Amino acid sequence: SQKIEQNSEALNIQEGKTATLTCNYTNYSPAYLQWYRQDPGRGPVFLLLIRENEKEKRKERLKVTFDTTLKQSLFHITASQPADSATYLCALDRSSSNTGKLIFGQGTTLQVKP
Amino acid sequence: EAEVAQSPRYKITEKSQAVAFWCDPISGHATLYWYRQILGQGPELLVQFQDESVVDDSQLPKDRFSAERLKGVDSTLKIQPAELGDSAMYLCASSLEVSSYNEQFFGPGTRLTVL
Repeated sequence: SQKIEQNSEALNIQEGKTATLTCNYTNYSPAYLQWYRQDPGRGPVFLLLIRENEKEKRKERLKVTFDTTLKQSLFHITASQPADSATYLCALDRSSSNTGKLIFGQGTTLQVKP
Repeated sequence: EAEVAQSPRYKITEKSQAVAFWCDPISGHATLYWYRQILGQGPELLVQFQDESVVDDSQLPKDRFSAERLKGVDSTLKIQPAELGDSAMYLCASSLEVSSYNEQFFGPGTRLTVL
């Protein structure tokens, strides 16, 4: 069956360091992958989308990579700040026809300590 | 800045009762989604609308859940009767159109507790 896995354990890092979060998937051939941020008690907020023909994408302090051979995406936050503390979700379209039917990973909680 | 509105924010009910959640998407967004998120898990898609039509409801437990978007704008999700296992956050999202290249904008959610 289709499956997306993210690190279930919380990631604790020191302010100023780079946080790296992992998203692995099986039984998919996605054309793209999305990353969202979710704060406690709130809905997810879109951060980045990366397509299969893009190896890397950047937005300010965020960087996402996409390796379709390894079936893995890495999400990096450089120069991390306590305000970056949140749960980060990756998502793929569960259909083969790009219709927005996203399936989400369980999320990884990031805690940045001052 | 335009936002997706949901109400109520919190709902406590007893099992076997009926509950309803309301969502108003961002103006001009043709596609509307309802998700369920259990604590510690990612959101799970329940139903997807394009305007007033259901595009996908394959994950919706149709024996007790129903969803409608009569005029292609706001939407209601209903559970009848509620069960203990329905306790979760119910999220509404919208996007410009049916395409996974479009980001989805989420509302604040309705936290449902079934006693």
